[in-house]
Amino acid sequence: QQQVKQSPQSLIVQKGGISIINCAYENTAFDYFPWYQQFPGKGPALLIAIRPDVSEKKEGRFTISFNKSAKQFSLHIMDSQPGDSATYFCAAPNNAGGTSYGKLTFGQGTILTVHP
Amino acid sequence: AAGVIQSPRHLIKEKRETATLKCYPIPRHDTVYWYQQGPGQDPQFLISFYEKMQSDKGSIPDRFSAQQFSDYHSELNMSSLELGDSALYFCASSLSAGGETQYFGPGTRLLVL
Repeated sequence: QQQVKQSPQSLIVQKGGISIINCAYENTAFDYFPWYQQFPGKGPALLIAIRPDVSEKKEGRFTISFNKSAKQFSLHIMDSQPGDSATYFCAAPNNAGGTSYGKLTFGQGTILTVHP
Repeated sequence: AAGVIQSPRHLIKEKRETATLKCYPIPRHDTVYWYQQGPGQDPQFLISFYEKMQSDKGSIPDRFSAQQFSDYHSELNMSSLELGDSALYFCASSLSAGGETQYFGPGTRLLVL
């Protein structure tokens, strides 16, 4: 059972456009929502993250919008560039309890292609 | 800034052979996670360690084992390799004290022939 559902599977936008990727989660115990960017053959790299006590977080061209009541959050990439072409994963950690945060549960991933 | 180091970066093995993957976390990070990523798939959690003790276990086959050493580096041992074990294996590290962020290494690409 996929605890974090991500859409769309793939997305094509023109340079300068806005890319929007959506995620929905089931577990209300999730309290931290990172987005990772992954280039082919590379490790996932943290892009931006949000906690559910805020509705929006912006870092440069990247914004996370969070809707706690709907259990949904989304990544917006403004002024999309060809260099943004990559796979994007939303995620949430399952707390193992005790002293450390737990394993990340990832969404299925979105392959973003930005055409010049 | 120092990042997570994984070795080897690429590994080719025959069926039924064994493999050992190594992970060196970011300095001062005390928690290590292992993930497996198949082609076109999202990373799947295998196992994690905190302060040298196993902290959580996911869909890790019984043929695999792992440990974390006193210097916090970790090794994933894989035996009786199968074709289906071909994947990217990532290690991630975090600092348990307020450190929910996991930083991923570059991965080891394992090919089983």
